Amino acid sequence: IAGITQAPTSQILAAGRRMTLRCTQDMRHNAMYWYRQDLGLGLRLIHYSNTAGTTGKGEVPDGYSVSRANTDDFPLTLASAVPSQTSVYFCASSAPGDTQYFGPGTRLTVL
Amino acid sequence: SQQGEEDPQALSIQEGENATMNCSYKTSINNLQWYRQNSGRGLVHLILIRSNEREKHSGRLRVTLDTSKKSSSLLITASRAADTASYFCATQNTGGFKTIFGAGTRLFVKA
Repeated sequence: IAGITQAPTSQILAAGRRMTLRCTQDMRHNAMYWYRQDLGLGLRLIHYSNTAGTTGKGEVPDGYSVSRANTDDFPLTLASAVPSQTSVYFCASSAPGDTQYFGPGTRLTVL
Repeated sequence: SQQGEEDPQALSIQEGENATMNCSYKTSINNLQWYRQNSGRGLVHLILIRSNEREKHSGRLRVTLDTSKKSSSLLITASRAADTASYFCATQNTGGFKTIFGAGTRLFVKA
């Protein structure tokens, strides 16, 4: 692994289904983030984690949950997907207060 | 709510010209970051400027920060067709984790 990876690359999901987006980094960064980007717009922070074992809410946390069991992994779960969660999801990591490194994104479509 | 707001929303210039993009924000920050995003791709970090810095350079990029006016600018000198992309500013709060992105400036450089 080099940098930060996300899986899956894309997914089509039926409304009401549960979905977990995976994110893994190998840079030993303490901080990790989940963003969503809607067409033609900037990124909005969903949740963040400043270190393993702690998480915090961003700008648009409703409908999403995260966990940070270890330094490397930061999964994002949609408990019951809705069409308004159709978006591109980006994971990022950084040293605290420093440059963020982004994954390639997951394109999610909820029908 | 959007903390960073860029202007212009879109900018079209000829190759060789300079491109200037501006970003305004509302609350106190720890740092401000500029990112580039090519269509359909992830974000690439350009420059991070801390709240106690006024100007930073990286190659053809120059970023300024005016904390009294809560604004920043990104200057790309001698633009190239390959600079065509969307450019985003992002602010991090004094805790260093909550990051807010603007909606971006779409730059088109004509060859």
